[in-house]
Amino acid sequence: RKEVEQDPGPFNVPEGATVAFNCTYSNSASQSFFWYRQDCRKEPKLLMSVYSSGNEDGRFTAQLNRASQYISLLIRDSKLSDSATYLCVVNIGRDSGGSNYKLTFGKGTLLTVNP
Amino acid sequence: DAGVTQSPTHLIKTRGQQVTLRCSPISGHKSVSWYQQVLGQGPQFIFQYYEKEERGRGNFPDRFSARQFPNYSSELNVNALLLGDSALYLCASSFTGTANGYTFGSGTRLTVV
Repeated sequence: RKEVEQDPGPFNVPEGATVAFNCTYSNSASQSFFWYRQDCRKEPKLLMSVYSSGNEDGRFTAQLNRASQYISLLIRDSKLSDSATYLCVVNIGRDSGGSNYKLTFGKGTLLTVNP
Repeated sequence: DAGVTQSPTHLIKTRGQQVTLRCSPISGHKSVSWYQQVLGQGPQFIFQYYEKEERGRGNFPDRFSARQFPNYSSELNVNALLLGDSALYLCASSFTGTANGYTFGSGTRLTVV
């Protein structure tokens, strides 16, 4: 089983649509969770962290279910500028060596918002 | 303030050659991590350095090596290049070395022919 699995996509939606991204992770010791956005041929950029209580940033809502090891991202009222690849990212926290350093990325889901 | 800077931006190499990629972290950041992103996949962790010491290594062969200099800049070296090494190589810096505070550079796109 892959460490982080995402919907394969791609998603094609009209402007104004609501779109949901789903992600599961395999390591129950995972401690930190993020959604990154990556534009074509650019570097990943942090979109938002994901907290157990769920969190919202404008049109974006992230949810975490630790029991199900499931993370989601909801985009409401999608804009043309939301077109990008969305990456689910997990940090397992401190390893046996005591380091807290490694991000594990999902494969990403491509979103295209059409006019 | 300058972000994470990587050089070169693009590179074409032949199979069997060696390559060195460079990264300058954000001023004040002491940790640098390297990731490989093959087309169509998410980034994969290669190395992390903090205060010039290796903190972690991903599942990559010994052909991959790295180091961090006293000014916290870093180099990633790949020997005996294979076609499969063609990828976007991303450098990320953070102040403390924890994974929660990464900023990525724009990457070096390596093509092996």
